[in-house]
Amino acid sequence: QKEVEQNSGPLSVPEGAIASLNCTYSDRGSQSFFWYRQYSGKSPELIMFIYSNGDKEDGRFTAQLNKASQYVSLLIRDSQPSDSATYLCAVSLTGNQFYFGTGTSLTVIP
Amino acid sequence: GAGVSQSPSNKVTEKGKDVELRCDPISGHTALYWYRQSLGQGLEFLIYFQGNSAPDKSGLPSDRFSAERTGGSVSTLTIQRTQQEDSAVYLCASSLVTGVDGYTFGSGTRLTVV
Repeated sequence: QKEVEQNSGPLSVPEGAIASLNCTYSDRGSQSFFWYRQYSGKSPELIMFIYSNGDKEDGRFTAQLNKASQYVSLLIRDSQPSDSATYLCAVSLTGNQFYFGTGTSLTVIP
Repeated sequence: GAGVSQSPSNKVTEKGKDVELRCDPISGHTALYWYRQSLGQGLEFLIYFQGNSAPDKSGLPSDRFSAERTGGSVSTLTIQRTQQEDSAVYLCASSLVTGVDGYTFGSGTRLTVV
């Protein structure tokens, strides 16, 4: 059973729309949740992390966590072509080891 | 340095040869992680170092893989008798404490075993 599951996509949205990326995880003991962005041929870069149920906003990005449903999502408002990348969800129990999903490929169409 | 530095950026090796991959973490970061990413796959955890504690080696796929971290800073990942399935991008990451605020990744080493 996979620890972290994401829809591989590709997800295509028009420029200016909201992109919604979803992630589910299997271990109810998970404590920390992260979203990374990875451009083709580059290494992942951290976008956001969230620990508590609810929403966390940072600029155009909003992370949403629902521990009861074991679900974490990332919303990107006013999507830009530069947001086109693969988005990786990561989950950690203790901080020692992260479990990554396989990523969702997002394309923002100008 | 300002970021996590990995070398070499690319490595092509013949099957059966040994390779060493190097990671220089951000100065002051006590936690260091190795992951690998195969084409179309997620990131696979390999090993974790925290300060002077014994490393968490639970992700190493076989005894051909080993890693060390000297002086709590630079780390070397060694793959002995490389196989074609070892071909992947090997990513190193570091963090201030145990990754509670996420990692910073290096640019990776792309290993190709021919």
